[in-house]
Amino acid sequence: NAGVIQTPRHKVTGKGQEATLWCEPISGHSAVFWYRQTIVQGLEFLTYFRNQAPIDDSGMPKERFSAQMPNQSHSTLKIQSTQPQDSAVYLCASSLPTGNTLYFGAGTRLSVL
Amino acid sequence: QQKVQQSPESLIVPEGAMTSLNCTFSDSASQYFAWYRQHSGKAPKALMSIFSNGEKEEGRFTIHLNKASLHFSLHIRDSQPSDSALYLCAVSTGYQNFYFGKGTSLTVIP
Repeated sequence: NAGVIQTPRHKVTGKGQEATLWCEPISGHSAVFWYRQTIVQGLEFLTYFRNQAPIDDSGMPKERFSAQMPNQSHSTLKIQSTQPQDSAVYLCASSLPTGNTLYFGAGTRLSVL
Repeated sequence: QQKVQQSPESLIVPEGAMTSLNCTFSDSASQYFAWYRQHSGKAPKALMSIFSNGEKEEGRFTIHLNKASLHFSLHIRDSQPSDSALYLCAVSTGYQNFYFGKGTSLTVIP
């Protein structure tokens, strides 16, 4: 079991460019969560999917952020027109259908210059 | 939206000491309470969790929950340098999303 896999580990973009982050959940896990972590704000909830369906995206900045889960083996988080304040570590986590424990990936560190 | 707050923000203790970390939450309908530990540069990892009021012990770690006070805590007995990490508390209202506190940075001095 390789755990939750996130790619890339590091991404540097210029202001205004697009960034796409990838997450492969643990096989058999039906829920996928996206979080953003910064020193100032801590671990902020963005969105989550259950059985590929979007359940709650209340933490997503609506204008430039979008997330998809086209199949059970991967999810993407897309940020359009990246801004310096988007710089953070983006963490993906998955959980079992009947479980409450989140299993986190190592994260993608996004730096917007 | 659920508000989760942790105290203290940071803590330095000597090796062997008892460490106590606190977490308060705002939603009285919360059902699941957990602690995660994140070593520097690593992913958060679940430490232990509790569903009902009271106490749960696993090795050197004990979690206390008081739903009426909207508060739960983590106690680490005989703290070790390897316990140095960021401790995050998490709260959920069920099979829903999980809200985290900003964390307590713990440093255990040998």
